Amino acid sequence: QVTLKESGPVLVKPTETLTLTCTVSGFSLSNARMGVSWIRQPPGKALEWLAHIFSNDEKSYSTSLKSRLTISKDTSKSQVVLTMTNMDPVDTATYYCARNQREWLLLRGSYYYYGMDVWGQGTTVTVSS
Amino acid sequence: EIVLTQSPGTLSLSPGERATLSCRASQSISSSYLAWYQQKPGQAPRLLIYGASSRATGIPDRFSGSGSGTDFTLTISRLEPEDFAVYYCQQYGSSPTFGQGTKLEIK
Repeated sequence: QVTLKESGPVLVKPTETLTLTCTVSGFSLSNARMGVSWIRQPPGKALEWLAHIFSNDEKSYSTSLKSRLTISKDTSKSQVVLTMTNMDPVDTATYYCARNQREWLLLRGSYYYYGMDVWGQGTTVTVSS
Repeated sequence: EIVLTQSPGTLSLSPGERATLSCRASQSISSSYLAWYQQKPGQAPRLLIYGASSRATGIPDRFSGSGSGTDFTLTISRLEPEDFAVYYCQQYGSSPTFGQGTKLEIK
């Protein structure tokens, strides 16, 4: 059974750095097809994609938040870590991690993405002094 | 960055009716890069469609996706009570993004 579970602080102060951990089970972060994304959702608002990392250590970040985000993985621990610096009250949200799968299509010379097929339950982070 | 615009913002329909949700991209994207999700209150999103038209595991066949280039559609052929939720499209460009969502509510 594939599961992902987010963990981290419930409350952070403005200007602090947030560190979130996604612990996965049922698949390996070293599998060529596998990756993990972080997504957040402020209360009552839409989903916002933040970052992803794939098995080959390829990383991508939200254009608007790139300067504040760092994503990394520890394959031996089955964990993906997201740090976000200089937290602000507008960063108050539920933060999700989700599994991605993709496959390199030789004839097309591009990836085929199978979507974010398994999500964690989410962790709520409040930014307040 | 590719912007996804979903319409309508809210769709009011009755069970048994057909729902058509639109997702328009600010520039052309590969169909391989387009996915749809369903989210109910208090729950994490659920993958419905990937590759613009392939149903994810366990998704009923009343859900279908279509489109190419900049225009994509999610169709629910015959609404069940459990289908009333918020739906998001998402693209896997160089920097993935989500649309702002369409709320499907009971009329």
